[in-house]
Amino acid sequence: EAGVAQSPRYKIIEKRQSVAFWCNPISGHATLYWYQQILGQGPKLLIQFQNNGVVDDSQLPKDRFSAERLKGVDSTLKIQPAKLEDSAVYLCASSDTGTAYEQYFGPGTRLTVT
Amino acid sequence: EDQVTQSPEALRLQEGESSSLNCSYTVSGLRGLFWYRQDPGKGPEFLFTLYSAGEEKEKERLKATLTKKESFLHITAPKPEDSATYLCAVIEYSSASKIIFGSGTRLSIRP
Repeated sequence: EAGVAQSPRYKIIEKRQSVAFWCNPISGHATLYWYQQILGQGPKLLIQFQNNGVVDDSQLPKDRFSAERLKGVDSTLKIQPAKLEDSAVYLCASSDTGTAYEQYFGPGTRLTVT
Repeated sequence: EDQVTQSPEALRLQEGESSSLNCSYTVSGLRGLFWYRQDPGKGPEFLFTLYSAGEEKEKERLKATLTKKESFLHITAPKPEDSATYLCAVIEYSSASKIIFGSGTRLSIRP
């Protein structure tokens, strides 16, 4: 079974530029999560989707971050404009409805904002 | 404010030297507590879910236990391949969706 796919793996941009990350969850997983993990910290949930709908986006900085999940499968996370403090690893995870607490994570995208 | 605190931040052990990692939490009602393992450059890998005080789960050299205020991850006779960061996370009963992670314990096992 294929795992959670993310791209790109690495991205370097200058502040005020925009960037987008892509995630393809495990086939059949209805729930998709985006996390931000700053070096030395645990992952912080940014947004959670259940199929096409948003379940929780309370920690998403909506003035600069946006996310969508079209057709309930792939998802994209966008930052516009980026700030220095956005430098982090962005992790995507998915889970099956029946085992919602067992999340499967992708390898992450390491973003460096200069 | 809901918090998850893990200790120690880092732990270095000799191969075969057993020890425990701690995760203490403050939430109004615990829906579930989770342990994940994270290797450098990779996403976290699910290990265990614990739901109620007194519950225990085991997997190979790892055993997770839960009390009303904290959880322990016991590592028995560790091997170098057990070296990783171990993350603890909780979901509060009143907020079914929001998972809160601790900062992790970086475990290093010397051969």
